[in-house]
Amino acid sequence: SQKIEQNSEALNIQEGKTATLTCNYTNYSPAYLQWYRQDPGRGPVFLLLIRENEKEKRKERLKVTFDTTLKQSLFHITASQPADSATYLCALVTGSQGNLIFGKGTKLSVKP
Amino acid sequence: DAGVIQSPRHEVTEMGQEVTLRCKPISGHDYLFWYRQTMMRGLELLIYFNNNVPIDDSGMPEDRFSAKMPNASFSTLKIQPSEPRDSAVYFCASSLGDRAGETQYFGPGTRLLVL
Repeated sequence: SQKIEQNSEALNIQEGKTATLTCNYTNYSPAYLQWYRQDPGRGPVFLLLIRENEKEKRKERLKVTFDTTLKQSLFHITASQPADSATYLCALVTGSQGNLIFGKGTKLSVKP
Repeated sequence: DAGVIQSPRHEVTEMGQEVTLRCKPISGHDYLFWYRQTMMRGLELLIYFNNNVPIDDSGMPEDRFSAKMPNASFSTLKIQPSEPRDSAVYFCASSLGDRAGETQYFGPGTRLLVL
């Protein structure tokens, strides 16, 4: 069956450290993958998109990698801050006309 | 632009009542999506429209759910009759582009509680 799994429901790290979130998928061949941030009581907000032919994408303190062999995307936040605390969702798109299919998310808490 | 607008933000109703959720997408966006989010199941796509036409409603749980998009600036999701298991946060999202998988812009959601 098709599955998208994000490594853990919750991740706690210390301020200043690098947070690494994992998104694994099975039985999909995604054309590209997106990462969203969701704060409590709000809708998800788009952060980054990475295509299947791209290995890595960066935006300020954020970095996303995409390994189609391992069927995995890693999402890194360097020099993490308490303001980075939120739930992060990965979403993938299969094929040229596919929809976004979301993982359940990982709740990140950055402690001062 | 004000972003995607949803109303109401909160809805509490009794089992058996009709519930109507409303959405105004970002002006000029071609796609509109309705999602439901629960702790157990995460974010699930219910239905999406392209240029006001329903494209895929395979995520709609059952006949109690219906959605319409009478014009490019308005959509409704209706539940009739509502049941306690429908309690969830319902999001509307819109996107611009030539396919459904483009970056989506979400509204603030409607938190529905069915007693």
